Amino acid sequence: DVKVTQSSRYLVKRTGEKVFLECVQDMDHENMFWYRQDPGLGLRLIYFSYDVKMKEKGDIPEGYSVSREKKERFSLILESASTNQTSMYLCASREGGDNSPLHFGNGTRLTVT
Amino acid sequence: RKEVEQDPGPFNVPEGATVAFNCTYSNSASQSFFWYRQDCRKEPKLLMSVYSSGNEDGRFTAQLNRASQYISLLIRDSKLSDSATYLCVVRSYNQGGKLIFGQGTELSVKP
Repeated sequence: DVKVTQSSRYLVKRTGEKVFLECVQDMDHENMFWYRQDPGLGLRLIYFSYDVKMKEKGDIPEGYSVSREKKERFSLILESASTNQTSMYLCASREGGDNSPLHFGNGTRLTVT
Repeated sequence: RKEVEQDPGPFNVPEGATVAFNCTYSNSASQSFFWYRQDCRKEPKLLMSVYSSGNEDGRFTAQLNRASQYISLLIRDSKLSDSATYLCVVRSYNQGGKLIFGQGTELSVKP
């Protein structure tokens, strides 16, 4: 079974702090993704990566950056956390094939106060 | 218009009922389709892929209608454990292969 691990289940940070959300997958997947999920808005894509050191903006990249130095690890960075970044963050990975599904981590509930 | 649209529900049905969810997508270049299930406070998990000819997995049947740009999910003989939110997911090659999620349809199966 594919395992996608997110480093924290719950996180509370203060406004202005730099926040790192870590994600590791153990199946040598090429593609990795960061989503946020908010009530009424569904899952929205923040950033994704097709390979090491590659990154692409998703639909809502503002206020975020990412890092993919190793194939198995994809980090989401909030440079200066704001209260509107309070959300559930979900990391996912998939193989590179056309019909390959996403495999999600169990999410990080981030609260910015 | 949203790229992927679903009826948000909730759908409240008794055990044993048959329930159908529809999902429409706006990008005609969409190529891959999936249904995910998300339990409360959990991550989404793949329920089934949707193939052009339609496919079935036990009580679950998925259909694709490319001409009308919608996919459907039919659940027969609903169980209490089917209560969850069902997410429609579409992948379009002309958008860099991004997977786009619908907002989800909530299902509540009652005894």
